[in-house]
Order: sequence, then structure tokens, then C-alpha cells
Amino acid sequence: EPEVTQTPSHQVTQMGQEVILRCVPISNHLYFYWYRQILGQKVEFLVSFYNNEISEKSEIFDDQFSVERPDGSNFTLKIRSTKLEDSAMYFCASSVQGATDTQYFGPGTRLTVL
Amino acid sequence: QKEVEQNSGPLSVPEGAIASLNCTYSDRGSQSFFWYRQYSGKSPELIMFIYSNGDKEDGRFTAQLNKASQYVSLLIRDSQPSDSATYLCATFYTGRRALTFGSGTRLQVQP
Repeated sequence: EPEVTQTPSHQVTQMGQEVILRCVPISNHLYFYWYRQILGQKVEFLVSFYNNEISEKSEIFDDQFSVERPDGSNFTLKIRSTKLEDSAMYFCASSVQGATDTQYFGPGTRLTVL
Repeated sequence: QKEVEQNSGPLSVPEGAIASLNCTYSDRGSQSFFWYRQYSGKSPELIMFIYSNGDKEDGRFTAQLNKASQYVSLLIRDSQPSDSATYLCATFYTGRRALTFGSGTRLQVQP
């Protein structure tokens, strides 16, 4: 069964460094998403992406964040200058259609900022 | 602020019993609702979705939706210790493609 994959599974970085989290969505899916979950808290939406552009973003997704689909399979989240409070699990998700379609989540990347 | 509310639990049930998990939402325009299961340190895994009022059954799971009361529930029959996890309720608020999640209910199934 097709699934969303994410790399790395765990990333440790120093505060102020840039990180890139990678995702490979399910191949026939057209909508891609990033969510994050700080330990013990809710899953929170960051950004959605369709047709090579951002279609929606939350207030969390400020100028330090960016997303890109550099090729036909990868979808990346870049955090330019990491802060301690960026430490969280970051989940990529994809769906066939947007709107109210079912979203399937990848296994996540645990980001630890020291 | 549009919210999805869940009792954080833990909800403890004996093996073989029915577990009942509840969720309320604030946006009357919400049309589709999802239940995800999340094991500790893992990602949300889709259990069921429901769009229409009433019940929807899938194996040991039944989702119930009451749009008038803005209430969604998940029943797990014949609960197993492997069902022990946090169950997340989620919906799309009107006009949004982003899922809004509740904080989840932790279920413990006692052997």
C-alpha cells in the first residue's frame, strides 16, 4: 500500500541553524501538507501546497519557514534559523484532492533544537 | 477561535469492552470528520471518516455523527490492548483545507 515517507526520522540541530525536512508524498496525490506537534500538544497545521504554490498557511508559518517541491517526488520544509521552540514532530501529509479529502500522514521527523 | 474538543482521558476499559470516545466541534459548517489513532511517538493513522449524519461501521469501529448537536463519536467494540493509544478527532473548518485536530483522548485497554 502506498504511503508517505519522511526523512530524516530524527534531526538534531543547533539554534540558529537551517534545517530541511524531506517528504515523499503518495504518488498520485496532488495536495501536500505540513503539520507539527510539540510534545504533549495538539497536531497543528502549518501549510498546504498545491500546483507548486502555497494554497494556505497558518499563523505559525512565518518568514522563517518555506516549502518547496524541488522535483516530481519530493516535498520539503525548510526552517531558516531554528529556535528552541521549533523542537517538535513534523508530519507531512498528502491527499488526492484538496477541500475535504482524506489526508494520509507520514511517520514524522522529530526535530530537536539545542 | 474554532475548536475541536475532546476529553483528554485517560479512558480505561477492560479488554473486550466497548470504548466510547467523544468529540465536539464549533463550526456548524464543518462537513467531514476524521478519527485518527496515534501511538506514542508515532504519526496519526486514519481509522475512519464520516460525512453524513448517523452511524458508519468498519469492522470493530463505528463512527457516529450528529451535526445538529455538533458531536462526533467513535465506538470501539471488543477493545484489545493493542487499541491503547490516543484517538484524535479532526475536521475541516468551513473554507479551509487544513485539518483542525482535537487534543486527543488517551485510551487504555486493560488486559
